[in-house]
Amino acid sequence: DAKTTQPNSMESNEEEPVHLPCNHSTISGTDYIHWYRQLPSQGPEYVIHGLTSNVNNRMASLAIAEDRKSSTLILHRATLRDAAVYYCILRDFGNEKLTFGTGTRLTIIP
Amino acid sequence: DAGVIQSPRHEVTEMGQEVTLRCKPISGHNSLFWYRQTMMRGLELLIYFNNNVPIDDSGMPEDRFSAKMPNASFSTLKIQPSEPRDSAVYFCASSSGTGANYNEQFFGPGTRLTVL
Repeated sequence: DAKTTQPNSMESNEEEPVHLPCNHSTISGTDYIHWYRQLPSQGPEYVIHGLTSNVNNRMASLAIAEDRKSSTLILHRATLRDAAVYYCILRDFGNEKLTFGTGTRLTIIP
Repeated sequence: DAGVIQSPRHEVTEMGQEVTLRCKPISGHNSLFWYRQTMMRGLELLIYFNNNVPIDDSGMPEDRFSAKMPNASFSTLKIQPSEPRDSAVYFCASSSGTGANYNEQFFGPGTRLTVL
């Protein structure tokens, strides 16, 4: 499986935008980029996913580099509830498996 | 929709005992996943089913672990005999669709297993 690299931790101020980076230099043409997050004492929850184009939903935006070797999850206005571990995952088109790495622990400062 | 339901939420048992974890996926979902999460190893996929058939069990640690999905609305993960190193949070997740139509995985609240 192609791997992803994320910073171990990040901090951000409440009500400010947050940009969470992910490097995936060995991504293949059939890999989708998925983001999940895990709030304290809960199971992971889906945030967003994309293939080539930037994506927006009610939770976040996903910006994908033109060469697809990196992506950025954007939380437009962080709240305390966004404090979580964020996982960037590559999923092959023909496979349903998700391989979770260590993720980025996001701390929101009030 | 009630979401993915797991039981029990907490389980404390003694080494050597049999442990059975249960999962009810979201109605209409055709794939079911069992994960284990520990501080040391993070979140690991143990096994997943598609249309009740095991597709990939390469993450199952050893023969002490077994999983079944007798029908579309129920799955079990059994550990026999249990060992202290099996202590972890076990998550069940379900999803629908494949390929470009793949949808997100919905995770249950997890079962926290402690083996003494």
